Amino acid sequence: EPEVTQTPSHQVTQMGQEVILRCVPISNHLYFYWYRQILGQKVEFLVSFYNNEISEKSEIFDDQFSVERPDGSNFTLKIRSTKLEDSAMYFCASSEYREGPEQYFGPGTRLTVT
Amino acid sequence: GEDVEQSLFLSVREGDSSVINCTYTDSSSTYLYWYKQEPGAGLQLLTYIFSNMDMKQDQRLTVLLNKKDKHLSLRIADTQTGDSAIYFCAVPSGGSYIPTFGRGTSLIVHP
Repeated sequence: EPEVTQTPSHQVTQMGQEVILRCVPISNHLYFYWYRQILGQKVEFLVSFYNNEISEKSEIFDDQFSVERPDGSNFTLKIRSTKLEDSAMYFCASSEYREGPEQYFGPGTRLTVT
Repeated sequence: GEDVEQSLFLSVREGDSSVINCTYTDSSSTYLYWYKQEPGAGLQLLTYIFSNMDMKQDQRLTVLLNKKDKHLSLRIADTQTGDSAIYFCAVPSGGSYIPTFGRGTSLIVHP
């Protein structure tokens, strides 16, 4: 069964450093998403991406964040200058359609900022 | 915006039924979802219900929707140890297709 993959599974970085989290969505999917979950808190939507541009973003997704689809398979989330409060589990998801229930999630990348 | 609340823990004995409850604030969503997260894995869509339904049954899973009370529940019949996981209720807020998640309910199944 096709699945969304994410690398790395765990990333440790120092405050102020840039990090890039990588995702490979399911190959025939057109819509891509990033979510995060701070430990003990809710899963929060960050951004959705379609046709090489951001289609929706939350208040969390400020200028420190950017997304890119650098080639036909990868979808990346970049955090320019990490802060302690960026420590969280980051989930990538993809879907074939914009609306509808089928968003497939990756296993997540745990980001620890020290 | 949408607010989704669910209890954090539920402990049941193997073979019993589990009922995980969720309340939400925005009732204009087309779909309401339940996701499951096993340790070390991502969120897996478990089941969903259309907003014009009040019940959906899928093998051991029963979803009940009370739109008047803005209450969604997931019942797992004959709960097994393999059902131990975190269960997330997710409801898109008005006009958006992006789900707002609850905090997740940790289901612990003991022999």
